[in-house]
Amino acid sequence: DTAVSQTPKYLVTQMGNDKSIKCEQNLGHDTMYWYKQDSKKFLKIMFSYNNKELIINETVPNRFSPKSPDKAHLNLHINSLELGDSAVYFCASSQPPNTDTQYFGPGTRLTVL
Amino acid sequence: QQQVKQSPQSLIVQKGGISIINCAYENTAFDYFPWYQQFPGKGPALLIAIRPDVSEKKEGRFTISFNKSAKQFSLHIMDSQPGDSATYFCAASKLGSARQLTFGSGTQLTVLP
Repeated sequence: DTAVSQTPKYLVTQMGNDKSIKCEQNLGHDTMYWYKQDSKKFLKIMFSYNNKELIINETVPNRFSPKSPDKAHLNLHINSLELGDSAVYFCASSQPPNTDTQYFGPGTRLTVL
Repeated sequence: QQQVKQSPQSLIVQKGGISIINCAYENTAFDYFPWYQQFPGKGPALLIAIRPDVSEKKEGRFTISFNKSAKQFSLHIMDSQPGDSATYFCAASKLGSARQLTFGSGTQLTVLP
């Protein structure tokens, strides 16, 4: 059973398009995250979200927006895609304060042409 | 501002050797320090973690050493194996409603057979 899953695994699109990446976790966790890993493998938090609070990293452009239809899902919507958005995006989940371990999904490689 | 600095960027060791990766942090509010392991094409996975109330934690061949006064922590991999070849990330987070991780820049470890 996959704990944290993401779709699609690969996403190739043109500049200016709008796209979404889906994330689902079956761990029963309350908190989910989106991270961006750039071409140098640097991992940076974008958002954390639970049913009470959305925390947005101040460097994330407002073209990016998380949307959570329910506790098990946190999708990432990206508007007006730019070349610099090309990266691998990881979803993760955890259950603070009971456990701080974050479980990561397999990643979505986004390529903007 | 890079809050968690990691070195070296890459590391090559012989099978059976000791791999040592170092990290330093700036924010004294951090109170949770995990190490994540990432294989190519996969998401990061928790390897081992420590809190600042202890100076060392060992799990199998993996040990974290923590120096609170110096604001430094390190990962030691004993008897390194080719299967340990991966990218290793240190991270830190602080108490809050969501444990957002601040990652180091990663270390590419290669263990030669």
